[in-house]
Amino acid sequence: DAKTTQPPSMDCAEGRAANLPCNHSTISGNEYVYWYRQIHSQGPQYIIHGLKNNETNEMASLIITEDRKSSTLILPHATLRDTAVYYCIVRVVKADSWGKLQFGAGTQVVVTP
Amino acid sequence: NAGVTQTPKFRVLKTGQSMTLLCAQDMNHEYMYWYRQDPGMGLRLIHYSVGEGTTAKGEVPDGYNVSRLKKQNFLLGLESAAPSQTSVYFCASRTGTSGRDFPYNEQFFGPGTRLTVL
Repeated sequence: DAKTTQPPSMDCAEGRAANLPCNHSTISGNEYVYWYRQIHSQGPQYIIHGLKNNETNEMASLIITEDRKSSTLILPHATLRDTAVYYCIVRVVKADSWGKLQFGAGTQVVVTP
Repeated sequence: NAGVTQTPKFRVLKTGQSMTLLCAQDMNHEYMYWYRQDPGMGLRLIHYSVGEGTTAKGEVPDGYNVSRLKKQNFLLGLESAAPSQTSVYFCASRTGTSGRDFPYNEQFFGPGTRLTVL
């Protein structure tokens, strides 16, 4: 699976959009981009995933560049409860896959009042 | 649905003692996973299971054993605990080939077990 690079930390004001970058320059054609987050003292939580099209769900939006070498997770209106470590993970998705997730260090996002 | 639950939440062991961590899920998921997380690091996969009666090694399997006798339960055993096994342990589960959105579907994680080995 391709490696990812994320900034170690970032701050965001409550109510503003949080834009979390992820670099995955060695991504291959059959690898998807997944985002999970981990609130302090809790287990990780799935947020969103995508291949090459932009994706949106009730939690966030995922913007993937045309060359797929980087992506941005957008939390449209950050709240204090969004303070967490956010993990960008790239993995192959195929029918016989057991779903390996390779977690890096992630980005610590702190939402301030 | 309780989702994924883990027992116990906290435990302190002495070096050489043994214990079993229990993970239970009520979502009828086929896949289950055990991870460990050390301070400042991401999660690392210990063992996983793709169905009842099957298990496989992950990235850091040494010192651990697992069993999946029932579909809803995945047990992680430490036969002789060492201080290096002090960590937070997370269990996760995921639908298998019969689930909606497979193979894209996400993993659901439990709340974790904080283990200290003295």
